[in-house]
Amino acid sequence: AQRVTQPEKLLSVFKGAPVELKCNYSYSGSPELFWYVQYSRQRLQLLLRHISRESIKGFTADLNKGETSFHLKKPFAQEEDSAMYYCAPPFSGGYNKLIFGAGTRLAVHP
Amino acid sequence: IAGITQAPTSQILAAGRRMTLRCTQDMRHNAMYWYRQDLGLGLRLIHYSNTAGTTGKGEVPDGYSVSRANTDDFPLTLASAVPSQTSVYFCASSEGPPGSYGYTFGSGTRLTVV
Repeated sequence: AQRVTQPEKLLSVFKGAPVELKCNYSYSGSPELFWYVQYSRQRLQLLLRHISRESIKGFTADLNKGETSFHLKKPFAQEEDSAMYYCAPPFSGGYNKLIFGAGTRLAVHP
Repeated sequence: IAGITQAPTSQILAAGRRMTLRCTQDMRHNAMYWYRQDLGLGLRLIHYSNTAGTTGKGEVPDGYSVSRANTDDFPLTLASAVPSQTSVYFCASSEGPPGSYGYTFGSGTRLTVV
């Protein structure tokens, strides 16, 4: 079965520290992967997608097919980065729907 | 309306009551989805619709039903609410295959069943 694993429920760092939010997936094809962010009590927003290779708000994510990982990174965390982060690859066998990891809460302290 | 609108924003519901959560989009997206968000479990897909007139079951469909009479509306109905359906419900849509385009989300409905 398709699986997405975000091993950390909570990641707590100080402002200016590097951040890495982990995401591992099980998928036999060539996945398109997304990271979504949810600020406090707001709707989920698309943060970035693998195929575009963009850097959004200083975040980047590299797809490692060998390790089946898509970790989200930022070199210097800011307090406004505090939020829930969800990793999402598509279902195997077709791009009909997304499944999400359980999410990681990032807390950036001053 | 811009994007996806969900109503109500929040609701306290007595167990056994029927409730319909509304979702309307103005982007003419073909595909729409309902997820529930629970602490520690992330988002789980309840039902989806790839196009008007069709629906499908997600990971946790029991106790929920949906309809898709037109492109814009995708209501979610709880026929007889139970406390385990206490959750935050998000509606989403996609302009194409979500594996390529990703989702646009509504602002959510916070439902408490007592």
